[in-house]
Amino acid sequence: DTAVSQTPKYLVTQMGNDKSIKCEQNLGHDTMYWYKQDSKKFLKIMFSYNNKELIINETVPNRFSPKSPDKAHLNLHINSLELGDSAVYFCASSRGEGNYGYTFGSGTRLTVV
Amino acid sequence: GQQVMQIPQYQHVQEGEDFTTYCNSSTTLSNIQWYKQRPGGHPVFLIQLVKSGEVKKQKRLTFQFGEAKKNSSLHITATQTTDVGTYFCAGRAGSYQLTFGKGTKLSVIP
Repeated sequence: DTAVSQTPKYLVTQMGNDKSIKCEQNLGHDTMYWYKQDSKKFLKIMFSYNNKELIINETVPNRFSPKSPDKAHLNLHINSLELGDSAVYFCASSRGEGNYGYTFGSGTRLTVV
Repeated sequence: GQQVMQIPQYQHVQEGEDFTTYCNSSTTLSNIQWYKQRPGGHPVFLIQLVKSGEVKKQKRLTFQFGEAKKNSSLHITATQTTDVGTYFCAGRAGSYQLTFGKGTKLSVIP
């Protein structure tokens, strides 16, 4: 019954590795997002994506790339992981962009060692 | 770019006391949303305000949207330990994406 599900919940990996985080929503929403929450709890938008448009936050390194096989999935792929990538990554979805409440997944805690 | 400032960053209250967090935008907002994140949890949508001067209540929580649609507040009456968490406002101006404030972390001392 989980509305927005992310896997894995925890991810520990070495610097330089490539990893992916998966996200699926069963709400029928047409827009999905990736957020990064750092140790100070700041929520920063990384990407928003619907069937028509991918919007990338210009501060996100191009090592991060979203991949959407279909409307219900938005995966996050990260190349050449760095120590500074350690954070909690949240997937979210909404019926439209900005005019409706977001439903967040439970988060993926990424630790780069 | 659009900025949403939220204060205070931290607030410690005795159980039963009231709590307020404030959100200010540098630009006029089309709407503002509020979220609560429990410790170790994920943000959960509480409410959205759209109209100038709008006030909405959810039990002990009162949400306000300023007349100029540039500020908002969340007030909790008689806090309980279940209110502990970080409260985020998030505003959208025009076609810009939703921008989150930095949050107010509420601690309630029993």
